[in-house]
Amino acid sequence: DIQMTQSPSSLSASVGDRVTITCRASQGIKNYLAWYQQKPGKAPKLLIYAASTLQSGVPSRFSGSISGTDFTLTISSLQPEDVATYYCQNYNSVPPWTFGQGTKVEIK
Amino acid sequence: EVQLVESGGGLVQPGGSLRLSCAASGFTVSTNHMNWVRQAPGKGLEWVSVIYSDDSTYYATSVKGRFTISRHNSKNTLYLQMNSLRAEDTAVYYCAGRLGPTTPFDFWGQGTLVTVSS
Repeated sequence: DIQMTQSPSSLSASVGDRVTITCRASQGIKNYLAWYQQKPGKAPKLLIYAASTLQSGVPSRFSGSISGTDFTLTISSLQPEDVATYYCQNYNSVPPWTFGQGTKVEIK
Repeated sequence: EVQLVESGGGLVQPGGSLRLSCAASGFTVSTNHMNWVRQAPGKGLEWVSVIYSDDSTYYATSVKGRFTISRHNSKNTLYLQMNSLRAEDTAVYYCAGRLGPTTPFDFWGQGTLVTVSS
């Protein structure tokens, strides 16, 4: 099975800061990588798919990038409403489709 | 607007059974790939099972042989039959729909809590 290693597990930043979360796949998954945002008590929400494509309606301060098997989610200017846990997910051709361990983002 | 609404969760004793349902609207269960994903309390997301539009099914190793995914096309509803439940199956269970084999999990329900405890 493909393992997704996500870091950091948590971070605290100030409003307006640039925030970066990384995810590494244990083997090649091309660009079949999604990022989800999950707020407490809510279902995950798709933010980015195909490593760098923004889902409709998602603010442009969110972006994704890929370098080989390393993937990055960037929030260019952290806002209070971005407090959540973020997960990466491999959705390559065959299951199981694994998620990263999650990154909890808080405001300093 | 797509809506996925799970139901059927609750408290069950170890070794017991439970059937979860996921009623869909604005989204056709039979022609899309439907999944179950779970989240243990305070933990991350774990993919559980998928049923493809061609009726093929796959399961996570942790539930294989105990859980069965199915759907009722005319009711536009997805199911998860869970047998031989264990304490470690305690989680919020989400249904999630994909528009195709190369798309992520586009749509999610609100989840239903399953608690396995004596």
